[in-house]
Amino acid sequence: ETGVTQSPTHLIKTRGQQVTLRCSSQSGHNTVSWYQQALGQGPQFIFQYYREEENGRGNFPPRFSGLQFPNYSSELNVNALELDDSALYLCASSLGWSEQFFGPGTRLTVL
Amino acid sequence: GQQLNQSPQSMFIQEGEDVSMNCTSSSIFNTWLWYKQDPGEGPVLLIALYKAGELTSNGRLTAQFGITRKDSFLNISASIPSDVGIYFCAGQLDEAGGTSYGKLTFGQGTILTVHP
Repeated sequence: ETGVTQSPTHLIKTRGQQVTLRCSSQSGHNTVSWYQQALGQGPQFIFQYYREEENGRGNFPPRFSGLQFPNYSSELNVNALELDDSALYLCASSLGWSEQFFGPGTRLTVL
Repeated sequence: GQQLNQSPQSMFIQEGEDVSMNCTSSSIFNTWLWYKQDPGEGPVLLIALYKAGELTSNGRLTAQFGITRKDSFLNISASIPSDVGIYFCAGQLDEAGGTSYGKLTFGQGTILTVHP
């Protein structure tokens, strides 16, 4: 059974650029949730995708968007990057609303 | 965004000691989960609790779902050096037909250091 994988591991961007982060869900899971974790904080919910539809969103602006594909993998897109977007971005997969299992994360640095 | 109140913020203990940490919320949850995160890694699920009053163990770890559904605690017995890391509680409110869509709300974390 393959766990949750994320790519890339690290990324450096400059303010105003756009970024795409990718997540492959665990085998058998159909739901992907994305979280932002600032240094020294707990993860904050960005949004969730279930069966290729956005299923809920946290307190993040529209420049944070996502996609889920038929194989349940997912992308997180962030436009017009700001310095405060620097964080660890975590993807978690689950079967519906069951326990969420996290990937290793993508460390984004915005300069 | 909303976060749970997790305490203590950090703990420095000797190997072999027991550890206790807890999490409180102003809102109720249907599920409480405890995760451990190592530096540069994603959180790893330790224990999931589904019913108020439930007490669940996983090896040296024991966690309880508070009766009020607004709190949970995690105990680690006979700590060892590999217990070092950041422990997070997370609450989930998964209402059928509701708007919570199973999102997790996390505490700020408890940093555990174990001295050999």
